[in-house]
Amino acid sequence: EAQVTQNPRYLITVTGKKLTVTCSQNMNHEYMSWYRQDPGLGLRQIYYSMNVEVTDKGDVPEGYKVSRKEKRNFPLILESPSPNQTSLYFCASNRAGGKNSPLHFGNGTRLTVT
Amino acid sequence: TQLLEQSPQFLSIQEGENLTVYCNSSSVFSSLQWYRQEPGEGPVLLVTVVTGGEVKKLKRLTFQFGDARKDSSLHITAAQPGDTGLYLCAGGGAGNNRKLIWGLGTSLAVNP
Repeated sequence: EAQVTQNPRYLITVTGKKLTVTCSQNMNHEYMSWYRQDPGLGLRQIYYSMNVEVTDKGDVPEGYKVSRKEKRNFPLILESPSPNQTSLYFCASNRAGGKNSPLHFGNGTRLTVT
Repeated sequence: TQLLEQSPQFLSIQEGENLTVYCNSSSVFSSLQWYRQEPGEGPVLLVTVVTGGEVKKLKRLTFQFGDARKDSSLHITAAQPGDTGLYLCAGGGAGNNRKLIWGLGTSLAVNP
């Protein structure tokens, strides 16, 4: 089954404790991205990657890091989480990053930073 | 800055009613995608429209892209509780801009 898999689904942590949210896709998609979804602000792109070893900032990259060492994986790293990073996070992938190419989303990671 | 405004923000209706939600912008988009997001899940693509004036149907859902490619609408006929969810529109930029611009969504509740 074609899918984007994120882990964990839920995460509660404390300020400053480094964490990684994993994302893997099995569709051989070139393009992967991370979004956060907040009430009243909608979906905002954090980082995206157009292929292996190619990453770039989205609209809200501060406080986040990513890496793309393999085509299928695109982990999101919070080196020193803060309460304002409490949010619902989604990983997405699509083919070649084209403007008409549909995004395939994971089921989300709900992060709480206390 | 390209913006997409969705209306209404919230909608609560009874099963069997018809409804229309709107996605409007002052900018031209090369394409418009509609997604539905159910609680606890990621958005799932419903349809992509690319041609001005295009109409696409998906069972009881009818999608239309405005002639000028600045707006879109989603009409649901005889809504059912299974239609409940957050409906998101996303516009693809014109020219070489590959970034999607997202609306804030319309939260639909269909009551039995």
